[in-house]
Amino acid sequence: EAQVTQNPRYLITVTGKKLTVTCSQNMNHEYMSWYRQDPGLGLRQIYYSMNVEVTDKGDVPEGYKVSRKEKRNFPLILESPSPNQTSLYFCASSPTGLAENTIYFGEGSWLTVV
Amino acid sequence: GNSVTQMEGPVTLSEEAFLTINCTYTATGYPSLFWYVQYPGEGLQLLLKATKADDKGSNKGFEATYRKETTSFHLEKGSVQVSDSAVYFCALSDNSGYALNFGKGTSLLVTP
Repeated sequence: EAQVTQNPRYLITVTGKKLTVTCSQNMNHEYMSWYRQDPGLGLRQIYYSMNVEVTDKGDVPEGYKVSRKEKRNFPLILESPSPNQTSLYFCASSPTGLAENTIYFGEGSWLTVV
Repeated sequence: GNSVTQMEGPVTLSEEAFLTINCTYTATGYPSLFWYVQYPGEGLQLLLKATKADDKGSNKGFEATYRKETTSFHLEKGSVQVSDSAVYFCALSDNSGYALNFGKGTSLLVTP
């Protein structure tokens, strides 16, 4: 079954404590991306990756890092989380990144920073 | 830059009512347009898309027509069901064809 898997699904953490949200896809997709979803703001892209070792900033990259060492994995790293990073995070993948391709989303990770 | 404006929600309808969710866009060039749906507790799924002017996207009884003259891509369904309760996002691709700009989402609640 085609899947994008994120972990953890729910996390409460404290300000400044580094955390990583993992994302893995089993479809051999080249393109992967991270979004955050906030009430009244919709989805905003954080980072994306066109292929292994190729990453670029989206609309709201501040406070986040990513890496793409393998095709299937695209972890999102919060080096020093702050309360304004409390949000619902989605990982997504698609075959090539073209918007006309079907984009597959993970189920989301609820992150609360206190 | 590119942007998408959706009608504010929440929208509450009775089962079998007619649904319209308005979406207008601002873009340079010729973007592709999309509607995504997010059911409770799930990620987004592509509902339908249109890649050029006058194209009509359709899926699961939903339709939307790419209107370049009015820069709109309104979502319609003739008879909604309780199972259609979800958040609906209008989106467009940028000129590169890669990045997606999402609207803020419209929450739909269908009551029996």
